[in-house]
Amino acid sequence: AQKVTQAQTEISVVEKEDVTLDCVYETRDTTYYLFWYKQPPSGELVFLIRRNSFDEQNEISGRYSWNFQKSTSSFNFTITASQVVDSAVYFCALSEATRSGGGADGLTFGKGTHLIIQP
Amino acid sequence: DADVTQTPRNRITKTGKRIMLECSQTKGHDRMYWYRQDPGLGLRLIYYSFDVKDINKGEISDGYSVSRQAQAKFSLSLESAIPNQTALYFCATSDLEAGFNQPQHFGDGTRLSIL
Repeated sequence: AQKVTQAQTEISVVEKEDVTLDCVYETRDTTYYLFWYKQPPSGELVFLIRRNSFDEQNEISGRYSWNFQKSTSSFNFTITASQVVDSAVYFCALSEATRSGGGADGLTFGKGTHLIIQP
Repeated sequence: DADVTQTPRNRITKTGKRIMLECSQTKGHDRMYWYRQDPGLGLRLIYYSFDVKDINKGEISDGYSVSRQAQAKFSLSLESAIPNQTALYFCATSDLEAGFNQPQHFGDGTRLSIL
């Protein structure tokens, strides 16, 4: 069965520090998809990134970057020069391609990391 | 207007009551999902539907039922609510494009409290 582990329950840093959120996953499929979502205090879920298992290239988007390593089954998320607005719960999620060559039976979420950026 | 709309946004009710949470989408996606979020547990899948004739149980379907009335509508029912069903409920949609699963688009959530 698939599983996503976010070992860091809560992280607190001072504004402008860099912070990395860890995500380790388990799956028996060779084809799968990994996601990060942000949940600000207002409660909605904001999609940040999707990565498929065939693409191990790291990605950078502004202050956000993602490091995908299949060898360690990890998909870590780094925020550079953190800001107070980055304060939120961040979820890592996994989807296996189990139907019709790409259909996914929903996402398996980690328990989330609560990131607190102090001014 | 939001692409995925959940109603109501908040609901307080009593144990034993029947409750329906509704979800509608304007994205034209075939796939719809219901999740619940509990503090410290992340989101867990309750039910999902790939089209109006395809309903599937998720990880925690006991105590819930769903109805896919149309491509755009997917409702979640609690036939006899109990306090441990107090949670934040999310509806989501997704589409399949070129063989790759697309990111799931979430509604803003329904906060349900059962007394």
